Order: sequence, then C-alpha cells, then structure tokens
Amino acid sequence: NAGVTQTPKFRVLKTGQSMTLLCAQDMNHEYMYWYRQDPGMGLRLIHYSVGEGTTAKGEVPDGYNVSRLKKQNFLLGLESAAPSQTSVYFCASREIGRPAANTIYFGEGSWLTVV
Amino acid sequence: GENVEQHPSTLSVQEGDSAVIKCTYSDSASNYFPWYKQELGKRPQLIIDIRSNVGEKKDQRIAVTLNKTAKHFSLHITETQPEDSAVYFCAAQYGGPSGNQFYFGTGTSLTVIP
Repeated sequence: NAGVTQTPKFRVLKTGQSMTLLCAQDMNHEYMYWYRQDPGMGLRLIHYSVGEGTTAKGEVPDGYNVSRLKKQNFLLGLESAAPSQTSVYFCASREIGRPAANTIYFGEGSWLTVV
Repeated sequence: GENVEQHPSTLSVQEGDSAVIKCTYSDSASNYFPWYKQELGKRPQLIIDIRSNVGEKKDQRIAVTLNKTAKHFSLHITETQPEDSAVYFCAAQYGGPSGNQFYFGTGTSLTVIP
C-alpha cells in the first residue's frame, strides 16, 4: 500500500543545474498536485493536474514545469535551479466522483537544497 | 484565487488544556475546509474536515466549527496531550464543489507542555 511516492527524497543542486522530481501514486487518483513548503509560508501550490495529459498553474509556478504523461505519475522539473527554490516539495493526489473524494493524500516530501 | 489566513503561528499550552486555531478565507464559493497535522519531518495528514453545509463537526478530542457568513473556521483540541504537538494547517477548497485547488494557511506550531 504505497500511496503517494516521491523520488528523490533528498537532493543538493548547484545554481543553474536542472533536475526532475518524480511523483507516483497507486490509488488511481485523477488529481495530482505539487506544493512547496517554506518556513512561515505554509504549503503553496506550484502546479496541478486534473487528469492525464493536463496541467495548470498554481500560486507559485515560475521556474517550474510539470508533465502528466501517465495518470499515475506527475513530474516536477526545475530547468535552471536557483537558491530561492531551496524548499521541501510535497506531491499530493486525490480522487474525484465520490462525495468523500476531497481528501488530499501527500507524499513523504522531497528536500531540495540549491547552493 | 483563494486567500487563507491562519492564527496564531505558534501556540503553547499545558497538557490537559484546550487549544484553538483560527482560519479565515476570502472566496465565498469555497465549500470544503480540511485540517492537516504535520509532525516533524513527516507528511501532512488529514485529521478532520468540514463542509459548508455543516456548522460543526467533532471527532473525539478534536472539533471544527465553520461560520460561513464571517468566512472563518476554527480547530479545537481539548484535553491536549504531548503527542498533539505538531504543525497544523487549515485549507480551503477553491472553486466550489468541483474545485480543483486547495489553498493552505501558513500553519500553527502547537507545543503541548507536559
């Protein structure tokens, strides 16, 4: 019962490098989200997807790109990492279609440091 | 988009006392309000939620109240225990019943002193 799985869990990048965070969910959820968590800022929505092949911008999308080529996977890309992108990144998912489908399930988080 | 404000940012209580965390939201179309608990180094996990057609919901020692007119909702924890120490986040589902986005408050760090 894996739920939402994120890889990698920890990563250190140099300014200007690129990387991709992978999120995988095995619950057949339609919606997937990427949040970043910074001290005193709570959880801020970066991008989200309402289904395979769709993506949309959230509150803080600049500097990030996403793709949802498969329903179970949601990738978050940093093309040219900046120190301001040092953060903890959480992927999340939820289903649709049932009255109780609002619950968001989070992954364990990915700690990213940009130096 | 939605704007969710949460207060206080930190809260310390003696074991056995009650704790109250308050949130306000801006979009009157928001209709679902969950609360998440995040222990140190762990993922946020849902502890209780409330829909806009309900004024109060209780689950053992935790309860949530919602005032739609004033656009605010609160988390109440009674008989606090050390294991309640964590960061708590409120959230609002933006965009009505089929809304896709959830906006979170900035979090409250609760410390329960034994």
